[in-house]
Amino acid sequence: AQSVTQLGSHVSVSEGALVLLRCNYSSSVPPYLFWYVQYPNQGLQLLLKYTTGATLVKGINGFEAEFKKSETSFHLTKPSAHMSDAAEYFCAVSASTGTASKLTFGTGTRLQVTL
Amino acid sequence: DAGITQSPRHKVTETGTPVTLRCHQTENHRYMYWYRQDPGHGLRLIHYSYGVKDTDKGEVSDGYSVSRSKTEDFLLTLESATSSQTSVYFCAISDRGFNEQFFGPGTRLTVL
Repeated sequence: AQSVTQLGSHVSVSEGALVLLRCNYSSSVPPYLFWYVQYPNQGLQLLLKYTTGATLVKGINGFEAEFKKSETSFHLTKPSAHMSDAAEYFCAVSASTGTASKLTFGTGTRLQVTL
Repeated sequence: DAGITQSPRHKVTETGTPVTLRCHQTENHRYMYWYRQDPGHGLRLIHYSYGVKDTDKGEVSDGYSVSRSKTEDFLLTLESATSSQTSVYFCAISDRGFNEQFFGPGTRLTVL
């Protein structure tokens, strides 16, 4: 079975500071990993994904994440936070069972950006 | 944006009444999913479909049923709504196994 753990349900950073959102996963097979962002009253939007190949993945809005197999981690970072980054972020791992793939989501991290 | 719509977007109903939520896609994707989102739980999979008339249960399927009679539509039915089913429901689609899913805008359901 796949699982995802997001450390910290709430993270607060100052505008211009580094953003680091942590995600650790468990998977019995090579995982596909995803980060999604959810703005208030909206659906989830894909930020970035790791499938195979380069372990440093760049996404939209200046975010990136690094797949570290030895640490079973896929942390999300952004060098400089902007007020518009305030949202909830979800890490997910894909699991293939039978004829369909399924995503298992973490419980989310709410990012607050302060002046 | 992926062409996914959900209807209704908001619904208030009473305990014991049947409710059907609709997800419609224009992407011709094979896989469709229904999730519920609740504070502290993230997104939990209710049911999914891997083709027309092919569906399977997710982790929180009790009290829910689904149907998919054509590629573009995936219906979620609460046969007899309960207050514990008050939630935000999201539909998602995917073109093939392991790939990312694209989400609809959600339906906020309140069961009184």
